[in-house]
Formats: sequence, structure tokens, C-alpha cells
Amino acid sequence: AQSVTQLDSHVSVSEGTPVLLRCNYSSSYSPSLFWYVQHPNKGLQLLLKYTSAATLVKGINGFEAEFKKSETSFHLTKPSAHMSDAAEYFCVVMRGNDMRFGAGTRLTVKP
Amino acid sequence: DAEITQSPRHKITETGRQVTLACHQTWNHNNMFWYRQDLGHGLRLIHYSYGVQDTNKGEVSDGYSVSRSNTEDLPLTLESAASSQTSVYFCASSDRGLADTQYFGPGTRLTVL
Repeated sequence: AQSVTQLDSHVSVSEGTPVLLRCNYSSSYSPSLFWYVQHPNKGLQLLLKYTSAATLVKGINGFEAEFKKSETSFHLTKPSAHMSDAAEYFCVVMRGNDMRFGAGTRLTVKP
Repeated sequence: DAEITQSPRHKITETGRQVTLACHQTWNHNNMFWYRQDLGHGLRLIHYSYGVQDTNKGEVSDGYSVSRSNTEDLPLTLESAASSQTSVYFCASSDRGLADTQYFGPGTRLTVL
């Protein structure tokens, strides 16, 4: 069975500083990995996905993530946080029809 | 613009009642999905459909059913609502399956008393 662990339930950064949201996964096979974002009272939106191509994946709104097989990690980063980045972020692991979401990391951005 | 809508947005019901949540998409996507979101669990897949007349069970399908009679709609039915089914429910659709970009509806908050 697959699983995903988001290592921080809440991350707080100041506007203009880097963002790091950590995700570790467990999968018996090479999985597909995703990051989704959920703004308050909204549905989820895909930020980026890894499907066994380049290990550094660039997404929307300046986010990127690096797949590290040796560390079973898929951390999400952004060089400079913006107030509009405040939201809940979900890491997702998938293999075949088995899709598992992490519990989420709430990102707060302070002015 | 294409969109995916859910109704109702909020629903309060009693234990044992049958409840149906509607999901309608105008993306013309073959693939549709239902999830529930609970604190500490992220989203969990309930049922999914890869086309008309096709339905499949997800991770947490017990107590739920779906039917797909056309491309646009995938209603989710709780046969006999239980308090454990109090949750926020999200519908999503995609062009090429689970791994493709999924477009989510705004969610339905269901409370079972």
C-alpha cells in the first residue's frame, strides 16, 4: 500500500522569503507524485506533477518540487512567498488507481 | 467557460436518511471522481467513473454509491446516512484519468445528525 506523510501541519513564512513544504512518500513501485493547493472554501487546484520524467518539476505560480528517490521525498519550494500563496497544500502519491493524499500543510504568509 | 458544480453546497440530514449529492461538469471529461475531506486525512477517494455506465470503488466506498448515465453528471448517494459520513465532499473531473489534471468543484458540506 502507498502512503504519504507531510512533515509539517503548519508552516508560517514572511512575504518575500522562501517556502519549503516537506513531503515523504512510501510506495513499492515508482509512483506518480502531485502537489495540489486549496484556497479557503475552494476546491483543489493542481500545482505540479511528477510522472517519471525530469526529477525537478516546475509548476504554476513559481512553485517547483524535486523528486528524490533515495530519500523518498517530493518537497515543494518557492523562492519568494506572496500573500496569495496562503492556503492548504496537499502532497499526493499515486500508482495505478490507488491515489493517496497527505493530511495537508497549512501555509501562512505574514506581511 | 467550462466548470464543475456541486449541489447543494450545504446539507444537514438525519441518521438513516438517503442523501444524494449532485455533481455536474461542462468540461466534457470522461473521468469523474468523488472524494471526502476530513481533518487529518486529506482527501480520500470514494468512487470514480471512467465513462458512461462505468463506476469503480475507491478507498472508502462503503455506504456510498454512484451511477453514471451521461457524461456530465455523477451523483453520489448515501444509502443510509451515518454520523461518520459528516464531511466535506468534493467532485472532480479529468480528461485522461486519475493522473491527469483534475478539476475540482467547490465542495458540499454534509452534516449527519
